[in-house]
Amino acid sequence: NAGVTQTPKFQVLKTGQSMTLQCAQDMNHNSMYWYRQDPGMGLRLIYYSASEGTTDKGEVPNGYNVSRLNKREFSLRLESAAPSQTSVYFCASSDWGSSKNIQYFGAGTRLSVL
Amino acid sequence: AQSVTQLDSHVSVSEGTPVLLRCNYSSSYSPSLFWYVQHPNKGLQLLLKYTSAATLVKGINGFEAEFKKSETSFHLTKPSAHMSDAAEYFCVVSSYNFNKFYFGSGTKLNVKP
Repeated sequence: NAGVTQTPKFQVLKTGQSMTLQCAQDMNHNSMYWYRQDPGMGLRLIYYSASEGTTDKGEVPNGYNVSRLNKREFSLRLESAAPSQTSVYFCASSDWGSSKNIQYFGAGTRLSVL
Repeated sequence: AQSVTQLDSHVSVSEGTPVLLRCNYSSSYSPSLFWYVQHPNKGLQLLLKYTSAATLVKGINGFEAEFKKSETSFHLTKPSAHMSDAAEYFCVVSSYNFNKFYFGSGTKLNVKP
């Protein structure tokens, strides 16, 4: 039972380079999320997708784009990486309804932008 | 609007003593509230959740939390700390349609031998 799988686990980029973080879930969840975690700031929502075919901005969307490729996969793209995007990125998924709205998290991607 | 304030960024306890991690929330409707734990270099794991059933919620590993509407609080407690409890803990509130989750800034729990 894999749950939420993120790739890669680690990445080092130079300023201006681009990359895509991949996320896949095998729980048939409708909603998927991308967060960044910085020391002392908790998790901040970058983008989320409430269902296949929809995406919405979160708290800190600037410099990022997302694609909900299908119900399983939700990718995060950095078009031109900046040092301020050095962070740990987490993907999560959840289902709808008060009895199901538990988020399940991937193991994270540690990104350094030099 | 929904928000969460974790009142302590760091808490240090001795092994075998009680743990109290404090969380206050702000919500314009009856909230769903969660506590997640993150061990070093790991993802986040759900400890417990409150969704308008019993106000005292029991979670995994002996943790529990009490929802107090009058105080807008959802504090996390454990009677006796274990070394393995050393981690960062996040209090979370969800939006009315459960599509978005708002995280507190986290509390790092240190457990001394």
